[in-house]
Amino acid sequence: DQQVKQNSPSLSVQEGRISILNCDYTNSMFDYFLWYKKYPAEGPTFLISISSIKDKNEDGRFTVFLNKSAKHLSLHIVPSQPGDSAVYFCAASATQYVSSNTGKLIFGQGTTLQVKP
Amino acid sequence: NAGVMQNPRHLVRRRGQEARLRCSPMKGHSHVYWYRQLPEEGLKFMVYLQKENIIDESGMPKERFSAEFPKEGPSILRIQQVVRGDSAAYFCASSPFGPTGEKLFFGSGTQLSVL
Repeated sequence: DQQVKQNSPSLSVQEGRISILNCDYTNSMFDYFLWYKKYPAEGPTFLISISSIKDKNEDGRFTVFLNKSAKHLSLHIVPSQPGDSAVYFCAASATQYVSSNTGKLIFGQGTTLQVKP
Repeated sequence: NAGVMQNPRHLVRRRGQEARLRCSPMKGHSHVYWYRQLPEEGLKFMVYLQKENIIDESGMPKERFSAEFPKEGPSILRIQQVVRGDSAAYFCASSPFGPTGEKLFFGSGTQLSVL
């Protein structure tokens, strides 16, 4: 049962253009969403997050949008740079449901982003 | 402030042997999570531990796998009688807050190869 889905395994974008990575979720209890970036042979590193009380969060070149009714979030990177080439993971957590929440994150399958110079 | 430290980075075992993976959380973090990433897949939650306690092992295979986080020393993920299907990258993450927290901080992982 894949509760967090990233349906695009890969994405290729030209340097300077916008990269849009998408993520869908099925569990209505999820109320906190994160994006992690992962380079080969390294662990995931936190990129940006959003709480379900918001629909947008921005940090420099990175913006995450949340559409709760559609159970969909997206990560926008603009402008894209070659150094952004990595695997991007969407993750979700149910922080408000104390009885079942253990702080664990549920991850999507990842999207490999390639930014071409 | 050192990050989450995992060792070894690479571990090769023959079928039937035991694998021990170690994780030292970030300083001040008492919550440890183990994840597994199979080839071409995302990270799958395995187990969540606090010092000396297993809190959530819902993602752990019922047999051959065990985890501990003793009062002193690193967290250990132990796989007995390894099989080829155990070949994967195993990541440890830590948090200062656990269930009340938000993001997790990940180590660089241990790549387990079973021959």
